[in-house]
Amino acid sequence: KQEVTQIPAALSVPEGENLVLNCSFTDSAIYNLQWFRQDPGKGLTSLLLIQSSQREQTSGRLNASLDKSSGRSTLYIAASQPGDSATYLCAVRSTGNQFYFGTGTSLTVIP
Amino acid sequence: GAVVSQHPSWVICKSGTSVKIECRSLDFQATTMFWYRQFPKQSLMLMATSNEGSKATYEQGVEKDKFLINHASLTLSTLTVTSAHPEDSSFYICSARDGQSTYEQYFGPGTRLTVT
Repeated sequence: KQEVTQIPAALSVPEGENLVLNCSFTDSAIYNLQWFRQDPGKGLTSLLLIQSSQREQTSGRLNASLDKSSGRSTLYIAASQPGDSATYLCAVRSTGNQFYFGTGTSLTVIP
Repeated sequence: GAVVSQHPSWVICKSGTSVKIECRSLDFQATTMFWYRQFPKQSLMLMATSNEGSKATYEQGVEKDKFLINHASLTLSTLTVTSAHPEDSSFYICSARDGQSTYEQYFGPGTRLTVT
């Protein structure tokens, strides 16, 4: 069974800092990997989707990379802002359509 | 983009009663829908997979008689929590897979269930 781990569990940084969130997964046979943002008590907002054949995706200040062979993905956030404060979830979609979610990284950006 | 809605967004019910949560794909046909549960400060855990017109497939440890899933049309799946208990209080999120064009999955906004 696929297991997804995110490190760190929590992160607090001053505004303006660049940061990296890590995600690792145990089974490299994946369909795609997706990064989500979740605000307290809210649903999921999709940030970036990387297909299994891709190495990275970029959207604005966000950049996500995927190394399928080593079972790793990173989410890079440039010039962090207080509005970036949220929980970030990494989810791996298996070839059977099922999503496996990581435990999340709770990010706090201090003004 | 593709939109998935859930109704209600939050619900409070008494122990022993049943509550139904709807998941709708608004602008695409979803041959497969998924139901997830999220307890406070934990990640999402898949409960079951439902395919239109057939029985749902439940994950290990999820009681199928307690969490009834119906996927009667290509745009609607329902989750009914029967004889709810306080420990069923959780955040329930559905996702729907576009079975005709993008084949991607889109997540609903979630339903907060509180059982008193």
